[in-house]
Amino acid sequence: KAGVTQTPRYLIKTRGQQVTLSCSPISGHRSVSWYQQTPGQGLQFLFEYFSETQRNKGNFPGRFSGRQFSNSRSEMNVSTLELGDSALYLCASGRGSGLLSNTGELFFGEGSRLTVL
Amino acid sequence: QQQVKQSPQSLIVQKGGISIINCAYENTAFDYFPWYQQFPGKGPALLIAIRPDVSEKKEGRFTISFNKSAKQFSLHIMDSQPGDSATYFCAASGRPGGGADGLTFGKGTHLIIQP
Repeated sequence: KAGVTQTPRYLIKTRGQQVTLSCSPISGHRSVSWYQQTPGQGLQFLFEYFSETQRNKGNFPGRFSGRQFSNSRSEMNVSTLELGDSALYLCASGRGSGLLSNTGELFFGEGSRLTVL
Repeated sequence: QQQVKQSPQSLIVQKGGISIINCAYENTAFDYFPWYQQFPGKGPALLIAIRPDVSEKKEGRFTISFNKSAKQFSLHIMDSQPGDSATYFCAASGRPGGGADGLTFGKGTHLIIQP
C-alpha cells in the first residue's frame, strides 16, 4: 500500500514569491491535513480537508491556503513568502470519516522542505 | 498559548534502560492522545494512542500512562534500544483524526539511546 506522497521534497524560493505544494494521500483516505514544522514552533496545524471541503483551520494568516480535489489529492499554497515561512510542510492523510469506526490514525508524508531566501 | 507541554527536551538513556517522556495538557475537551516517532528526514509515525477512559495502554515495549485528573500522560519505552533513537512528540485532540484545531503537538523530545 503506497504511503502519503508529497512533492516537491525540497524547494527554494525568495521573499514575495508564492509556492504550491502537493500531497497525494493513501488510497481510500478522504481526509488530508497539513502541518508546518519548524525548530522553534514545532508542529503546528494548518488546515484539514475532507471530501473537498475545508473542515478545520489553524491559526495561520490568509496567505496560507489549500484545496482538495475529487480524487482526495490536496494542494497548499503560500503567497507573498516571508523568511519565517521556511519550514518543513507535512501532509497527513486519514480515513477521517468522523464515524466511530474511524481509528483516528494519521499517516504523514516525508514533507516538503521550503527555504525562503 | 502552548496547550501541550512536553518534557524533557532531550534525553539520553543507556541501552536496556527505560525512557520516560512526559506531557501535560490544558484543554479538558481533549479526548485523544497519540504519541508520534520521527526519524531525521522522515515524517512523524504513530506509535501508540490512548483515550481518557483507560489509565494505561501497552503495545510491545511502549506504554502510555494517563492521569486524567492531573491532565498528564507519559510514554515509557522499556528495554530501550539504539534503534529507538528519534524525536518523540506527544499530541492531543478533541477527536481521533484531529479536532477543531487539528492535533496539538508538544515540542518534542530528542531521545538518544547509548549502546
